[in-house]
Amino acid sequence: AQSVTQPDIHITVSEGASLELRCNYSYGATPYLFWYVQSPGQGLQLLLKYFSGDTLVQGIKGFEAEFKRSQSSFNLRKPSVHWSDAAEYFCAVGGLAGGGNKLTFGTGTQLKVEL
Amino acid sequence: SQTIHQWPATLVQPVGSPLSLECTVEGTSNPNLYWYRQAAGRGLQLLFYSVGIGQISSEVPQNLSASRPQDRQFILSSKKLLLSDSGFYLCAWGRGSGANVLTFGAGSRLTVL
Repeated sequence: AQSVTQPDIHITVSEGASLELRCNYSYGATPYLFWYVQSPGQGLQLLLKYFSGDTLVQGIKGFEAEFKRSQSSFNLRKPSVHWSDAAEYFCAVGGLAGGGNKLTFGTGTQLKVEL
Repeated sequence: SQTIHQWPATLVQPVGSPLSLECTVEGTSNPNLYWYRQAAGRGLQLLFYSVGIGQISSEVPQNLSASRPQDRQFILSSKKLLLSDSGFYLCAWGRGSGANVLTFGAGSRLTVL
């Protein structure tokens, strides 16, 4: 069965500091990996995705993530955090659509940014 | 471009009352549709998904049901709400082939009193 672990429930960083959110996955085949962001009371917005190729993927809002197959990880990074980045971040794993394939989400990491 | 709408955005209902949350997608055809529930500190739990009209798969046993009466309409229902049904409900759509990238609606906040 596929699963996602986000070991950090809450993270607090100072504005301007770097950020890394951890994500580990379990998937029986080549995974498709995603990071979503959710502002309070809102839906989820796709930040970036990894399908194949270059293991370092760039997303919106200055975020990037690196796929490391050997570590079953897909950590999200940002060099300099802005106060507006405060939100909840979800990592997800899945495969091809069709056949009822579904995305499995982690439990999320709540990011707080101190000014 | 594709858009997804959910309503109502907020709902307060008494225990034992019925529920109907609606989700519609525009700008695409034959999407895969999903209902997720989000409870505090528990991430997103997939409740139902549908790959076509009238085709519903349930992921967890519960007090809720789903229907897809039209290609781009997905409805979440209950005949009698329980306190434990409170939560934030998210509808999402994805393409029926290729990588399963989901686009989410803005969510519906349900409080059962």
